[in-house]
Amino acid sequence: DTAVSQTPKYLVTQMGNDKSIKCEQNLGHDTMYWYKQDSKKFLKIMFSYNNKELIINETVPNRFSPKSPDKAHLNLHINSLELGDSAVYFCASSFSQNTGELFFGEGSRLTVL
Amino acid sequence: GENVEQHPSTLSVQEGDSAVIKCTYSDSASNYFPWYKQELGKRPQLIIDIRSNVGEKKDQRIAVTLNKTAKHFSLHITETQPEDSAVYFCAASGRGGNKLVFGAGTILRVKS
Repeated sequence: DTAVSQTPKYLVTQMGNDKSIKCEQNLGHDTMYWYKQDSKKFLKIMFSYNNKELIINETVPNRFSPKSPDKAHLNLHINSLELGDSAVYFCASSFSQNTGELFFGEGSRLTVL
Repeated sequence: GENVEQHPSTLSVQEGDSAVIKCTYSDSASNYFPWYKQELGKRPQLIIDIRSNVGEKKDQRIAVTLNKTAKHFSLHITETQPEDSAVYFCAASGRGGNKLVFGAGTILRVKS
């Protein structure tokens, strides 16, 4: 049973399009995250939700909008995609918002042409 | 905010040798320091972590040391094996303890 699952795993799209990535965790964790890993492998936090409430919102363009319908799900919608959005997006979860182990999903590789 | 620097960016060692990766952090309020391993095309996975009330922690061939005064922590891998080849990330929890800030990563290559 996959603990943190993301879909789709690969996404290839044109500039200007809108796309969504979905994430689900079955670990019963309260906190979920979106991280972006660029071509240089740098991992940077984008958003965090604790029990459906947004607790971390880093300096991310407002074209990126997260949504957490319940504490087991965290989706990421991206409007007006740009070339620089190409990256691997990792969803993660942790037991609580006070840091402990992050459980990452497999990642969603987004390529914007 | 928290800033984590990691060195070296790449490290090549001979199988059986030791590998050491070092990180420094800026926020003295950080209290949690994990290390993640990411194999090619895979997700990052926790390999060891340490909290600020402990100076050293060991798990088989890996160990982490923390110097709170100097604000640096290190990962030590002994008797390296080819399967240790991966990207290793350090991280620090940052003020408030609810946000992990990662270092830039170290590509470790173990040559057999």
